[in-house]
Amino acid sequence: DTAVSQTPKYLVTQMGNDKSIKCEQNLGHDTMYWYKQDSKKFLKIMFSYNNKELIINETVPNRFSPKSPDKAHLNLHINSLELGDSAVYFCASSRGPRNYEQYFGPGTRLTVT
Amino acid sequence: AQTVTQSQPEMSVQEAETVTLSCTYDTSESDYYLFWYKQPPSRQMILVIRQEAYKQQNATENRFSVNFQKAAKSFSLKISDSQLGDAAMYFCAYRSAGRSQGNLIFGKGTKLSVKP
Repeated sequence: DTAVSQTPKYLVTQMGNDKSIKCEQNLGHDTMYWYKQDSKKFLKIMFSYNNKELIINETVPNRFSPKSPDKAHLNLHINSLELGDSAVYFCASSRGPRNYEQYFGPGTRLTVT
Repeated sequence: AQTVTQSQPEMSVQEAETVTLSCTYDTSESDYYLFWYKQPPSRQMILVIRQEAYKQQNATENRFSVNFQKAAKSFSLKISDSQLGDAAMYFCAYRSAGRSQGNLIFGKGTKLSVKP
């Protein structure tokens, strides 16, 4: 049973397109995160939701919009894709914002051409 | 703001030997957690070991152990009896215990190669 799943695992698209990455966790966790890993492997937080409420919104372009329809899902929608958006995007979850154990999804490699 | 520094972009170890990966961090907080994550070529982020800052005892998980020096803000990872499957990127990460936001702050990673 997959704890944190992401779809798709690979996404190749052209500049200017709009795309979404879906994340689901079956752990019963309250807090979910999106991290971005750039071409140099550097990982950085983008967003965090706790009980469907946004609690972290780092300096991310407005073209990125997270959506949490329920506690088990945190989707990432990206408008007007740019070359610089090419990266691996990781979803993660934890029992709560103060709980230290974070479980990561397998990542989505986004390539913008 | 908290920062995490891994000064070794790449390391290499012979199979069955021991290697130590370095990590330093900067924070003004007194309560926090530190982690080592492993990322093999499969891309999956795997938690290797965690350390609570209030604990003086160094964490150990089988062949993995840490040397936590709170005053020096140092958190190194020792891998004993290295195996081929240990080859991966290793990330040191920091998480505040006091704030309501629970995100991890990562170092830039160390790529570990294991030679047969």
